[in-house]
Amino acid sequence: KAGVTQTPRYLIKTRGQQVTLSCSPISGHRSVSWYQQTPGQGLQFLFEYFSETQRNKGNFPGRFSGRQFSNSRSEMNVSTLELGDSALYLCASSAGPLLAGGEQFFGPGTRLTVL
Amino acid sequence: EDKVVQSPLSLVVHEGDTVTLNCSYEVTNFRSLLWYKQEKKAPTFLFMLTSSGIEKKSGRLSSILDKKELFSILNITATQTGDSAIYLCAVEVFGAGGTSYGKLTFGQGTILTVHP
Repeated sequence: KAGVTQTPRYLIKTRGQQVTLSCSPISGHRSVSWYQQTPGQGLQFLFEYFSETQRNKGNFPGRFSGRQFSNSRSEMNVSTLELGDSALYLCASSAGPLLAGGEQFFGPGTRLTVL
Repeated sequence: EDKVVQSPLSLVVHEGDTVTLNCSYEVTNFRSLLWYKQEKKAPTFLFMLTSSGIEKKSGRLSSILDKKELFSILNITATQTGDSAIYLCAVEVFGAGGTSYGKLTFGQGTILTVHP
């Protein structure tokens, strides 16, 4: 079974631009969660989607948004980029609730650098 | 606000040593605690703990949870250079309606370096 894939793997943008990151979950997985990882803050939860609905959201400004498509693929968008948005963005997919064996599998991440 | 704290933040040992990594948490509606290993990019799953006092083991790694004192430890015996990584502890909480909604709160991680 193919793992979680994320594209692009690396991205360089300038302040004020916007960016869209993509995540394809493991086949059959319907839940996709997004995380931001920085050296200072560690891994922080952005949001989670299940069956095209956002069910949970972390404490990030409205510039961070996402969506999920009917095939469970998910995109994350960041508008009006700031220097502090430079980070590794990870997505994770799971088949269901963690306690039911729905372990979260992480993708390789997208490294975003904002200049 | 849910909080997960790991200690130490970094650790340097030699092959063959035994290490203990700590994770304490303060969350509402605890559901499970998870340990991940992160080497290059993607964290890989190690253990999920939901019940106090039951040790989970996988080879040289083991972990246990204390829900009364709100902490967990991850032990690695006979360390090898391949154990060098960031070890992440995360807590899952129940959301509205009793489901977890895919949110994990992570600690800062412990950077483990194992020298030959």
